[in-house]
Amino acid sequence: DTGVSQDPRHKITKRGQNVTFRCDPISEHNRLYWYRQTLGQGPEFLTYFQNEAQLEKSRLLSDRFSAERPKGSFSTLEIQRTEQGDSAMYLCASSLVLAAYETQYFGPGTRLLVL
Amino acid sequence: ELKVEQNPLFLSMQEGKNYTIYCNYSTTSDRLYWYRQDPGKSLESLFVLLSNGAVKQEGRLMASLDTKARLSTLHITAAVHDLSATYFCAVDPGNQFYFGTGTSLTVIP
Repeated sequence: DTGVSQDPRHKITKRGQNVTFRCDPISEHNRLYWYRQTLGQGPEFLTYFQNEAQLEKSRLLSDRFSAERPKGSFSTLEIQRTEQGDSAMYLCASSLVLAAYETQYFGPGTRLLVL
Repeated sequence: ELKVEQNPLFLSMQEGKNYTIYCNYSTTSDRLYWYRQDPGKSLESLFVLLSNGAVKQEGRLMASLDTKARLSTLHITAAVHDLSATYFCAVDPGNQFYFGTGTSLTVIP
């Protein structure tokens, strides 16, 4: 078990460009979450999947953001027409939902800088 | 709007001292989580608290949950430098996780 991995670890892009991030969860985990974290703040929920189904999406999430988990394994997060305000750390987490609770295991994150 | 507030936001404490971090939340939730984040690193799960009165301890850290008061505490006993990090609480009311703003802890010799 190698844990949750994310790729790339760092991304610098120019405003208006599209970017895509990948997350590979722990293999037996059925839930996958995406968060955004800015400096000095806690992670902010973006969306999550149970297997391949996207069950919840933050109301704060712009329609420039889209996420997929096509086969219930890895997931991608795409940001179209990036803006400087999109600069942040994007965290992925996976979990195995048990009866009473779930523990999320976080990946190392992708740090995005939009110039 | 659901809020998760931590107090204090910044904490500088001497080695060997005790202190408590507070986490207040504004919705009904029987599940509360504590995470640790080292600078430039991702989050590491510390505790899962599942019911009113739950208490968990690991080394010098002890977490408790009072669901009626919507309050969780993270108590640090005899702090050591290795505990320097940012600590987050998070609640799970059923549809997503809501994280607090974090408490940045620095333990000084």
